[in-house]
Amino acid sequence: DAKTTQPPSMDCAEGRAANLPCNHSTISGNEYVYWYRQIHSQGPQYIIHGLKNNETNEMASLIITEDRKSSTLILPHATLRDTAVYYCIVRPRYQKVTFGTGTKLQVIP
Amino acid sequence: GAVVSQHPSWVICKSGTSVKIECRSLDFQATTMFWYRQFPKQSLMLMATSNEGSKATYEQGVEKDKFLINHASLTLSTLTVTSAHPEDSSFYICSARDRGIDTGELFFGEGSRLTVL
Repeated sequence: DAKTTQPPSMDCAEGRAANLPCNHSTISGNEYVYWYRQIHSQGPQYIIHGLKNNETNEMASLIITEDRKSSTLILPHATLRDTAVYYCIVRPRYQKVTFGTGTKLQVIP
Repeated sequence: GAVVSQHPSWVICKSGTSVKIECRSLDFQATTMFWYRQFPKQSLMLMATSNEGSKATYEQGVEKDKFLINHASLTLSTLTVTSAHPEDSSFYICSARDRGIDTGELFFGEGSRLTVL
């Protein structure tokens, strides 16, 4: 898997947009960008993924730079329930998933 | 989204006994399942890849005789921790890939917390 770099922690005010960056400068052409999150003491939850284009679903938006070397996960209106560890993972579609240390997002009332 | 269920959610056992954890895909067929373990305040560590009808592939450093994995059907994989010791106490999580989805995302179970006394 391409190596990813994420800030270890971030704070976000409730109701504001949370923008979580991920650097993956060694990404190769067949690798997708996947985002998962893990709320304390639960299994990880799939959020979104993309290859080249920006993606949006009911949970979040994923913005991938044109050179694909970095991406940003956007939670448009963060709530307290979005407090979790967010993992950015880069890999080919069918390869196993290995987790880094992620970004611990704390949503503040 | 697809649902993956683990059972039991938590288990306490005595040292030396064996514990089985089940992972089921409830509304899809999973040809591949993955098992992870997670220690407090650490990230998930991949233990093994389980393919339906074949032997599991273990990650380096994971004892295959200690952690027995069986994937006998397209909806069920089991992890058995044999002769458990206190150092095996951990949060065990499974994930599954939906064979009907082409985009490769994984769906995770709720996790099973094992405490060995």
